[in-house]
Amino acid sequence: NAGVTQTPKFQVLKTGQSMTLQCAQDMNHNSMYWYRQDPGMGLRLIYYSASEGTTDKGEVPNGYNVSRLNKREFSLRLESAAPSQTSVYFCASSEHRLWQPQHFGDGTRLSIL
Amino acid sequence: DQQVKQNSPSLSVQEGRISILNCDYTNSMFDYFLWYKKYPAEGPTFLISISSIKDKNEDGRFTVFLNKSAKHLSLHIVPSQPGDSAVYFCAASAVNNNDMRFGAGTRLTVKP
Repeated sequence: NAGVTQTPKFQVLKTGQSMTLQCAQDMNHNSMYWYRQDPGMGLRLIYYSASEGTTDKGEVPNGYNVSRLNKREFSLRLESAAPSQTSVYFCASSEHRLWQPQHFGDGTRLSIL
Repeated sequence: DQQVKQNSPSLSVQEGRISILNCDYTNSMFDYFLWYKKYPAEGPTFLISISSIKDKNEDGRFTVFLNKSAKHLSLHIVPSQPGDSAVYFCAASAVNNNDMRFGAGTRLTVKP
């Protein structure tokens, strides 16, 4: 049972490059989330999607775009990467609501030079 | 603004003893609280939660206590086991506001 799968696991980019982080869940969850975790800080919500076709901004949305492709997949795009976006990115899902227990992927470690 | 704070970056306890992890929050709108556990190179996993209408919730060796007047919650692990060694994150949510905030985490080490 895969749960939440994130690709890639590691990525190094140069400033100004773009990339898309992929996330898929197989638990038939309605809601999906993208977080970033920086050293010494907790996870911070970037964007979330309460259902297919809807997305909402979280605490730190600037510099990111998201797409809820279907119920299973939620992608995060960096259009023009900046060194401040160096972080570990986690995708998560929950059955319906943000405050319900979330299931997390194992993260994507992204370095921007 | 850090609305959820875990003031102890690390905690070390002996196997078999009690581990107490603490969390404070500032936003009185938070009404649902969760604890997650994280091992290195893995994503966080849900441990236990509590809503603001309760002051205690138990699940096996894990108990969460909520003191709303003090805006404080704690996670008790009894007895502690070496496999409990991980980083523990406290999270708080405002059910009607679509907001979720995490603390910075406490690294628990349980020594055999």
